[in-house]
Amino acid sequence: KAGVTQTPRYLIKTRGQQVTLSCSPISGHRSVSWYQQTPGQGLQFLFEYFSETQRNKGNFPGRFSGRQFSNSRSEMNVSTLELGDSALYLCASSLDRAAEAFFGQGTRLTVV
Amino acid sequence: DQQVKQNSPSLSVQEGRISILNCDYTNSMFDYFLWYKKYPAEGPTFLISISSIKDKNEDGRFTVFLNKSAKHLSLHIVPSQPGDSAVYFCAALPLSNFGNEKLTFGTGTRLTIIP
Repeated sequence: KAGVTQTPRYLIKTRGQQVTLSCSPISGHRSVSWYQQTPGQGLQFLFEYFSETQRNKGNFPGRFSGRQFSNSRSEMNVSTLELGDSALYLCASSLDRAAEAFFGQGTRLTVV
Repeated sequence: DQQVKQNSPSLSVQEGRISILNCDYTNSMFDYFLWYKKYPAEGPTFLISISSIKDKNEDGRFTVFLNKSAKHLSLHIVPSQPGDSAVYFCAALPLSNFGNEKLTFGTGTRLTIIP
């Protein structure tokens, strides 16, 4: 069974640009969550999608958005990139419950 | 507002000895706690969990202890092995709040096992 796949693995963008990250969950999983990991801040919850609907949302500005498609694949978009957005972005999928989530390897975003 | 805290950013332990990683939480709604292990360039992997109805859960070399009155949990690894060197994250969620179960993570503790 394939795990959670995130693409791309690495990304370098310029301040002010926008970026889209992709996450393919484990087959059959309907919940996809996104996290931002920065040094000293741990993993911070961005949002969760379940059956194409945003079910939970963290405390990030509106520049961070996401969506989920009918095949459960999810994308995360960050507009007007800032230097502070440089981080590892992790996606996790589960059948339904957050406690049963499996994580992808992450996308390392560097904003210059 | 850090609701889950891991106050030790790093810990070094001799191979074969016990590693103890600590975690504190402030939110009384949390009723399920998990530990994840993360190697560089990989996503976190689930290690062990504990429900608030228990005070101990054991899985092989890993044991998690929960002290609800102190809002404190700890992960014990014994004996520690070189492959245990990684960053360990504590996480919590309100399992009983179905549909609002976002995981809240601590900042992580980097464990180094010295051969």
